[in-house]
Amino acid sequence: EVQLVESGGGLVQPGGSLRLSCVASDFTFSTYTMNWVRQTPGRGLEWVSYISSRSSTIYYADSVKGRFTISRDNAKNSLYLQMNSLRDEDTAIYYCARDPTGTGWSFDYWGRGTPVTVS
Amino acid sequence: QSVLTQPPSVSAAPGQTVTISCSGRSSNIGKNLVSWYQQFPGTAPKLLIYENNKRPSGIPDRFSGSKSGTSATLGITGLQTGDEADYYCETWDSSLSGAVFGGGTKLTVL
Repeated sequence: EVQLVESGGGLVQPGGSLRLSCVASDFTFSTYTMNWVRQTPGRGLEWVSYISSRSSTIYYADSVKGRFTISRDNAKNSLYLQMNSLRDEDTAIYYCARDPTGTGWSFDYWGRGTPVTVS
Repeated sequence: QSVLTQPPSVSAAPGQTVTISCSGRSSNIGKNLVSWYQQFPGTAPKLLIYENNKRPSGIPDRFSGSKSGTSATLGITGLQTGDEADYYCETWDSSLSGAVFGGGTKLTVL
């Protein structure tokens, strides 16, 4: 069964940094596009970033552009999100999600999420 | 404010049918395929419908999706109390170069 396990969340002060990780198992990670999606009680689901299978194509939501960096290490079956200059509004549960077609219009597997609190 | 517009809530009795709408623009729903997700409190979203009207393995045929122009619709027939959840539509926005979600619809089965 496909598994995605996020880690690295926690409490951080405004202006601080965090690095989230997502470890994938039971599928060929290197062939799939991956995304980060976050969720807050007040704003629902919000897409954060997209990275293609070989990291050749990367997109960011305007709300995080210039502050967050997505990356991956296919040898380690791992996806990362480096978050800098964190703001109160970045407080959310962060999910990694697999994109089976690389088109960004469906995410077939999600991790359980890791909570980030900026305060 | 979400790019895609959904009603905040819908309700219906067990056994009945409910539809949830998702309205967008030419740059998102009008150009790309739509997915729907089901989310129970405290859990991650689960893919319910992809490519407008396809169901992943294990999703009952009580759930259906359709798209017309810049709008999409999720239909649920034979409502069960276990269907009470939040439902989100999603697609790619070609102008924004990013995925976009609806604000979510809370389904209550009375």
